Amino acid sequence: QSVLTQPPSVSAAPGQKVSISCSGSSSNIGSEYVSWYQQVPGAAPQLLIYDNNKRPSGIPDRFSGSKSGTSATLGITGLQTGDEADYYCGTWDSSLSAGVFGGGTKVTVL
Amino acid sequence: EVQLLESGGGLVQPGGSLRLSCAASGFTFINYAMSWVRQAPGKGLEWVSAIVGSGFTSEYADSVKGRFTISRDNSKNTLYLQMNSLRAEDTAVYYCVKGRQFYESWGRGTLVTVSS
Repeated sequence: QSVLTQPPSVSAAPGQKVSISCSGSSSNIGSEYVSWYQQVPGAAPQLLIYDNNKRPSGIPDRFSGSKSGTSATLGITGLQTGDEADYYCGTWDSSLSAGVFGGGTKVTVL
Repeated sequence: EVQLLESGGGLVQPGGSLRLSCAASGFTFINYAMSWVRQAPGKGLEWVSAIVGSGFTSEYADSVKGRFTISRDNSKNTLYLQMNSLRAEDTAVYYCVKGRQFYESWGRGTLVTVSS
């Protein structure tokens, strides 16, 4: 059971938008920055979003992040077949003094 | 270009030990906290441990506390994870990761299999 809660899967047609939610508590998302990671099959995860809404260089602006209270959201617009992957949210939990991740969300492009 | 190269994984019997290494390059190693994150086969990501740049402070997941030890040699730009009293549930790909608050660069991972 993950500390952060994500939907197991989301799907949409090419060109459409998907949103992935990440729910936590006051000791993690509510008081810490959130990051998001993309993991394509067979590869290591890659940082997509850090500090709630910042994109590393090289990450297209089709990917966006937001946070409100104890929840965060990753948005992907202009969905492409190459976006099919597992997506994870992550943050620090100040009560656990540990890093925590969501269980992951599989994005399928229909 | 940041590079993180893990080594030391393999097959070990329950109760055994392994030491993972991670050779880092492309950035000023001592300036960054480093972490280990693992992924069991077919499962999600699990944070294991983190250590600050100086090496003086480290943190552990409850699942490995007392069994695993993270360390670093800043003169060799290398991160380590000493794993003792290994259990079947420790079977996973172990990733060396740059950062602690967020994980900005990842190695390719090294597979640890705990089985008799």
